[in-house]
Amino acid sequence: DADVTQTPRNRITKTGKRIMLECSQTKGHDRMYWYRQDPGLGLRLIYYSFDVKDINKGEISDGYSVSRQAQAKFSLSLESAIPNQTALYFCATSDPQGMGDYGYTFGSGTRLTVV
Amino acid sequence: QKEVEQNSGPLSVPEGAIASLNCTYSDRGSQSFFWYRQYSGKSPELIMFIYSNGDKEDGRFTAQLNKASQYVSLLIRDSQPSDSATYLCAVNTGYSTLTFGKGTMLLVSP
Repeated sequence: DADVTQTPRNRITKTGKRIMLECSQTKGHDRMYWYRQDPGLGLRLIYYSFDVKDINKGEISDGYSVSRQAQAKFSLSLESAIPNQTALYFCATSDPQGMGDYGYTFGSGTRLTVV
Repeated sequence: QKEVEQNSGPLSVPEGAIASLNCTYSDRGSQSFFWYRQYSGKSPELIMFIYSNGDKEDGRFTAQLNKASQYVSLLIRDSQPSDSATYLCAVNTGYSTLTFGKGTMLLVSP
Protein backbone atom coordinates (compact mmCIF):
# COMPACT_ATOMS: atom_id res chain seq x y z
CA ASP A 1 0.00 0.00 0.00
CA ALA A 2 1.07 3.57 -0.70
CA ASP A 3 2.50 5.63 2.19
CA VAL A 4 0.20 8.56 1.33
CA THR A 5 -3.19 7.66 -0.12
CA GLN A 6 -5.58 10.10 -1.73
CA THR A 7 -9.20 9.40 -2.58
CA PRO A 8 -10.79 9.72 -5.01
CA ARG A 9 -8.20 9.55 -7.82
CA ASN A 10 -10.52 11.30 -10.25
CA ARG A 11 -13.73 13.22 -9.70
CA ILE A 12 -16.09 15.20 -11.86
CA THR A 13 -18.55 17.41 -10.01
CA LYS A 14 -21.00 20.17 -10.81
CA THR A 15 -20.70 23.83 -9.98
CA GLY A 16 -22.09 24.57 -6.52
CA LYS A 17 -21.67 21.08 -5.14
CA ARG A 18 -19.78 20.34 -1.95
CA ILE A 19 -16.94 17.89 -2.35
CA MET A 20 -14.38 16.37 -0.01
CA LEU A 21 -10.95 15.07 -0.95
CA GLU A 22 -9.39 12.70 1.51
CA CYS A 23 -5.80 11.95 2.44
CA SER A 24 -4.46 9.29 4.76
CA GLN A 25 -0.87 8.36 5.55
CA THR A 26 0.96 5.47 7.15
CA LYS A 27 4.30 7.26 7.55
CA GLY A 28 3.57 8.48 11.07
CA HIS A 29 4.33 12.07 10.05
CA ASP A 30 2.86 14.96 12.02
CA ARG A 31 2.96 17.47 9.17
CA MET A 32 0.47 17.34 6.32
CA TYR A 33 -0.21 19.66 3.40
CA TRP A 34 -2.65 20.25 0.56
CA TYR A 35 -1.42 21.71 -2.72
CA ARG A 36 -3.08 22.26 -6.07
CA GLN A 37 -1.28 22.14 -9.40
CA ASP A 38 -2.40 23.99 -12.48
CA PRO A 39 -0.67 24.05 -15.87
CA GLY A 40 1.66 27.05 -16.01
CA LEU A 41 1.12 27.91 -12.34
CA GLY A 42 2.97 25.14 -10.57
CA LEU A 43 2.18 23.82 -7.11
CA ARG A 44 0.45 26.22 -4.74
CA LEU A 45 -0.18 25.68 -1.04
CA ILE A 46 -3.81 25.62 0.10
CA TYR A 47 -3.64 24.53 3.76
CA TYR A 48 -1.19 22.85 6.07
CA SER A 49 -1.24 21.23 9.49
CA PHE A 50 1.66 20.53 11.83
CA ASP A 51 -0.40 18.43 14.24
CA VAL A 52 -4.03 17.57 14.95
CA LYS A 53 -4.72 20.88 16.71
CA ASP A 54 -2.78 23.06 14.27
CA ILE A 55 -4.33 24.23 10.99
CA ASN A 56 -2.88 27.02 8.85
CA LYS A 57 -3.94 28.75 5.66
CA GLY A 58 -1.66 28.70 2.66
CA GLU A 59 -1.45 31.20 -0.18
CA ILE A 60 -4.73 30.18 -1.86
CA SER A 61 -7.12 29.04 0.90
CA ASP A 62 -10.22 30.98 -0.24
CA GLY A 63 -13.02 28.61 -1.19
CA TYR A 64 -11.47 25.68 0.67
CA SER A 65 -11.61 24.26 4.18
CA VAL A 66 -9.79 21.40 5.87
CA SER A 67 -10.19 18.95 8.71
CA ARG A 68 -7.42 17.07 10.51
CA GLN A 69 -9.38 14.14 11.93
CA ALA A 70 -6.32 12.30 13.25
CA GLN A 71 -2.57 12.33 12.84
CA ALA A 72 -2.98 10.15 9.79
CA LYS A 73 -5.95 11.88 8.12
CA PHE A 74 -6.27 15.31 6.53
CA SER A 75 -9.29 16.18 4.38
CA LEU A 76 -9.84 19.07 1.99
CA SER A 77 -13.35 20.36 1.28
CA LEU A 78 -14.66 22.59 -1.44
CA GLU A 79 -17.84 24.06 0.07
CA SER A 80 -19.31 25.20 -3.24
CA ALA A 81 -17.20 24.07 -6.17
CA ILE A 82 -16.55 26.44 -9.07
CA PRO A 83 -14.93 25.71 -12.46
CA ASN A 84 -11.66 27.50 -11.66
CA GLN A 85 -11.09 24.93 -8.91
CA THR A 86 -10.53 22.38 -11.63
CA ALA A 87 -6.98 21.19 -10.95
CA LEU A 88 -4.76 18.35 -9.80
CA TYR A 89 -4.72 18.23 -6.00
CA PHE A 90 -1.87 16.75 -4.00
CA CYS A 91 -1.62 15.82 -0.35
CA ALA A 92 1.87 15.64 1.13
CA THR A 93 3.50 14.79 4.44
CA SER A 94 6.84 15.63 6.02
CA ASP A 95 8.85 14.72 9.11
CA PRO A 96 11.94 16.90 9.45
CA GLN A 97 14.90 14.95 10.79
CA GLY A 98 17.47 17.67 10.57
CA MET A 99 18.22 21.19 9.49
CA GLY A 100 17.75 20.58 5.81
CA ASP A 101 15.36 17.70 5.69
CA TYR A 102 11.94 19.17 5.08
CA GLY A 103 11.25 17.13 1.98
CA TYR A 104 7.72 16.07 1.27
CA THR A 105 6.25 12.70 0.40
CA PHE A 106 3.36 13.21 -2.00
CA GLY A 107 0.22 11.22 -2.55
CA SER A 108 -0.76 10.14 -6.05
CA GLY A 109 -3.05 13.11 -6.54
CA THR A 110 -6.75 13.73 -7.16
CA ARG A 111 -7.75 15.09 -10.54
CA LEU A 112 -10.84 17.24 -9.94
CA THR A 113 -12.99 18.64 -12.71
CA VAL A 114 -15.78 21.11 -11.94
CA VAL A 115 -18.31 21.49 -14.74
CA GLN B 1 6.11 37.52 -1.75
CA LYS B 2 8.51 34.62 -1.85
CA GLU B 3 9.27 33.56 -5.41
CA VAL B 4 11.05 30.65 -7.00
CA GLU B 5 11.87 31.06 -10.67
CA GLN B 6 12.67 28.39 -13.23
CA ASN B 7 12.90 28.43 -17.00
CA SER B 8 9.89 26.47 -18.23
CA GLY B 9 11.82 24.86 -21.10
CA PRO B 10 11.71 22.45 -22.68
CA LEU B 11 15.39 21.79 -22.25
CA SER B 12 16.42 19.29 -24.90
CA VAL B 13 19.61 17.25 -24.55
CA PRO B 14 20.87 14.13 -26.32
CA GLU B 15 21.27 10.86 -24.47
CA GLY B 16 24.56 10.74 -22.58
CA ALA B 17 24.90 14.52 -22.25
CA ILE B 18 24.84 16.63 -19.09
CA ALA B 19 21.55 18.39 -18.39
CA SER B 20 21.77 21.59 -16.36
CA LEU B 21 18.63 22.89 -14.64
CA ASN B 22 18.58 26.23 -12.89
CA CYS B 23 16.52 27.94 -10.22
CA THR B 24 16.63 31.33 -8.51
CA TYR B 25 14.79 32.38 -5.37
CA SER B 26 13.86 35.72 -3.88
CA ASP B 27 13.95 35.18 -0.11
CA ARG B 28 17.45 35.53 1.34
CA GLY B 29 16.23 33.79 4.49
CA SER B 30 15.68 30.53 2.61
CA GLN B 31 17.34 27.65 4.39
CA SER B 32 16.94 24.47 2.38
CA PHE B 33 16.43 23.61 -1.25
CA PHE B 34 14.90 20.66 -3.01
CA TRP B 35 14.71 19.16 -6.46
CA TYR B 36 11.69 17.03 -7.39
CA ARG B 37 11.11 15.05 -10.55
CA GLN B 38 7.56 14.80 -11.87
CA TYR B 39 6.47 12.58 -14.73
CA SER B 40 3.38 13.66 -16.62
CA GLY B 41 0.23 13.00 -14.58
CA LYS B 42 2.21 11.63 -11.64
CA SER B 43 3.15 12.99 -8.23
CA PRO B 44 6.46 14.77 -7.58
CA GLU B 45 9.30 12.59 -6.36
CA LEU B 46 12.13 13.99 -4.22
CA ILE B 47 15.54 13.43 -5.81
CA MET B 48 17.88 15.83 -3.97
CA PHE B 49 18.01 18.34 -1.15
CA ILE B 50 20.80 20.74 -0.19
CA TYR B 51 21.24 23.37 2.51
CA SER B 52 24.94 24.24 2.47
CA ASN B 53 26.76 26.27 -0.16
CA GLY B 54 28.61 24.14 -2.65
CA ASP B 55 27.93 20.86 -4.38
CA LYS B 56 26.13 17.73 -3.26
CA GLU B 57 26.38 14.60 -5.36
CA ASP B 58 24.13 11.53 -5.45
CA GLY B 59 24.78 9.11 -8.28
CA ARG B 60 24.24 10.90 -11.59
CA PHE B 61 22.74 13.94 -9.86
CA THR B 62 24.59 16.95 -8.46
CA ALA B 63 22.88 19.83 -6.70
CA GLN B 64 24.73 23.13 -6.49
CA LEU B 65 23.86 25.97 -4.12
CA ASN B 66 25.08 29.56 -4.08
CA LYS B 67 23.26 31.51 -1.38
CA ALA B 68 25.03 34.78 -2.16
CA SER B 69 23.64 34.66 -5.70
CA GLN B 70 20.35 33.05 -4.55
CA TYR B 71 20.84 30.34 -7.09
CA VAL B 72 20.47 26.57 -7.01
CA SER B 73 21.04 24.17 -9.86
CA LEU B 74 20.72 20.48 -10.69
CA LEU B 75 23.12 18.68 -13.00
CA ILE B 76 22.19 15.32 -14.46
CA ARG B 77 25.16 13.45 -15.92
CA ASP B 78 24.83 10.76 -18.58
CA SER B 79 21.22 11.78 -19.24
CA GLN B 80 18.86 8.96 -20.17
CA PRO B 81 15.50 9.07 -21.98
CA SER B 82 13.95 7.96 -18.68
CA ASP B 83 15.10 11.28 -17.19
CA SER B 84 12.61 13.07 -19.43
CA ALA B 85 10.25 14.75 -16.95
CA THR B 86 9.49 18.08 -15.35
CA TYR B 87 11.92 19.11 -12.61
CA LEU B 88 10.58 21.22 -9.79
CA CYS B 89 12.75 23.40 -7.60
CA ALA B 90 11.39 23.99 -4.09
CA VAL B 91 12.57 26.26 -1.31
CA ASN B 92 11.98 26.15 2.44
CA THR B 93 12.13 29.58 4.04
CA GLY B 94 12.21 28.40 7.65
CA TYR B 95 8.48 28.04 8.19
CA SER B 96 8.47 24.40 7.18
CA THR B 97 6.43 24.83 4.05
CA LEU B 98 7.87 24.61 0.58
CA THR B 99 7.45 27.16 -2.19
CA PHE B 100 7.75 25.56 -5.61
CA GLY B 101 8.90 26.88 -8.93
CA LYS B 102 6.75 26.18 -11.98
CA GLY B 103 9.16 23.55 -13.19
CA THR B 104 11.47 22.94 -16.15
CA MET B 105 10.59 20.28 -18.69
CA LEU B 106 13.57 18.13 -19.68
CA LEU B 107 13.55 16.08 -22.89
CA VAL B 108 16.33 13.55 -23.45
CA SER B 109 16.45 12.24 -26.98
CA PRO B 110 17.89 8.77 -27.79
